[in-house]
Amino acid sequence: GQQLNQSPQSMFIQEGEDVSMNCTSSSIFNTWLWYKQDPGEGPVLLIALYKAGELTSNGRLTAQFGITRKDSFLNISASIPSDVGIYFCAGQRESAGGTSYGKLTFGQGTILTVHP
Amino acid sequence: DGGITQSPKYLFRKEGQNVTLSCEQNLNHDAMYWYRQDPGQGLRLIYYSQIVNDFQKGDIAEGYSVSREKKESFPLTVTSAQKNPTAFYLCASSFSGSPYNEQFFGPGTRLTVL
Repeated sequence: GQQLNQSPQSMFIQEGEDVSMNCTSSSIFNTWLWYKQDPGEGPVLLIALYKAGELTSNGRLTAQFGITRKDSFLNISASIPSDVGIYFCAGQRESAGGTSYGKLTFGQGTILTVHP
Repeated sequence: DGGITQSPKYLFRKEGQNVTLSCEQNLNHDAMYWYRQDPGQGLRLIYYSQIVNDFQKGDIAEGYSVSREKKESFPLTVTSAQKNPTAFYLCASSFSGSPYNEQFFGPGTRLTVL
């Protein structure tokens, strides 16, 4: 199946620094989702984006739906130790008929390590 | 509390044995999904179901089987035909028939085949 290109693969930062990661695709998506996964747990939904150009915040997290509909960005400001984990982007494409059918394509994840 | 439960959390099986992973949700979601996660990789879709008594293969369905007899339940069987079954398995659910198909995940089952 198609994969999303998520970068960077890993990040090592100091507490208090800002973080930025992104996902790109050769296909157009109508929904972008960002998840965080703690070790040994299921992913938790952080932010959902539905419109090209949309910018949405959730506390220190901000995500944007790229204007071309082929990319998305997640920023974390003033990182703290509990931000540690794997961050995944996921996109949903429209079916040929123009209706959503629920399947998500996931990026390979960005592993975030925050040093106190 | 509403949510998705998966059991057991850890599962050990001998090579050649079939094993069934449980997934239950009380979110009244129509659609349910099974993913496999291997170290350093994203989530890969095994099977999904948008309605009771119907399901479709995902990207890596070989060696797996599912059933959807109830809206709340979507068990996954890992058969002996799956060549490399040791992995972390995640179940998810969502509403269907809507553009806002956010998927919510269970806590996962780590399967180790010895």
